[in-house]
Amino acid sequence: DQQVKQNSPSLSVQEGRISILNCDYTNSMFDYFLWYKKYPAEGPTFLISISSIKDKNEDGRFTVFLNKSAKHLSLHIVPSQPGDSAVYFCAASALISGGSNYKLTFGKGTLLTVNP
Amino acid sequence: KAGVTQTPRYLIKTRGQQVTLSCSPISGHRSVSWYQQTPGQGLQFLFEYFSETQRNKGNFPGRFSGRQFSNSRSEMNVSTLELGDSALYLCASSSRGDGYEQYFGPGTRLTVT
Repeated sequence: DQQVKQNSPSLSVQEGRISILNCDYTNSMFDYFLWYKKYPAEGPTFLISISSIKDKNEDGRFTVFLNKSAKHLSLHIVPSQPGDSAVYFCAASALISGGSNYKLTFGKGTLLTVNP
Repeated sequence: KAGVTQTPRYLIKTRGQQVTLSCSPISGHRSVSWYQQTPGQGLQFLFEYFSETQRNKGNFPGRFSGRQFSNSRSEMNVSTLELGDSALYLCASSSRGDGYEQYFGPGTRLTVT
């Protein structure tokens, strides 16, 4: 049961244009969402996050949008740069049932390629 | 602060052998989580340790085990290796262990032949 889905394995955009990466989730208990970026041979790097009480969070060129009713979030990168080329993972956090801590669930990732 | 470190970075083992991977979290972080990354499968959660106790466990067979020491360093062990265990194993640490931002190490690339 894949609770966090990134349906696009890859995305290619031109430098300077907008990159939009999408993520869908099924668990309504998720209350915190994160995006990570991963370069080859490196561990994922935290990029941006959003709480379920918000619908938008912006950090420089990166903006994350959350649509709770649709159980959908997206990451917008504007303008896209060649250095943004990486695998982007969407992750969601929920309180462990019967527990007092949280667990991150990751999507399978989207490979973004920004062409000069 | 120094980041999360993992040793070794690369490892080649034979089927049936066992392997131990090590992770040193960011200083002050008490939560350490382990993930397995394989092509097309994203990051699959193995387990999480907090203050030397395993708090969460993913859906992996009992051949996968771990532990955490009093200094928060963690080890992961895989016994009776199978070809399908070939993957990148990532360790992540967190200060609060509450599912918020986790900081990842570079990973250990395990190849089973």
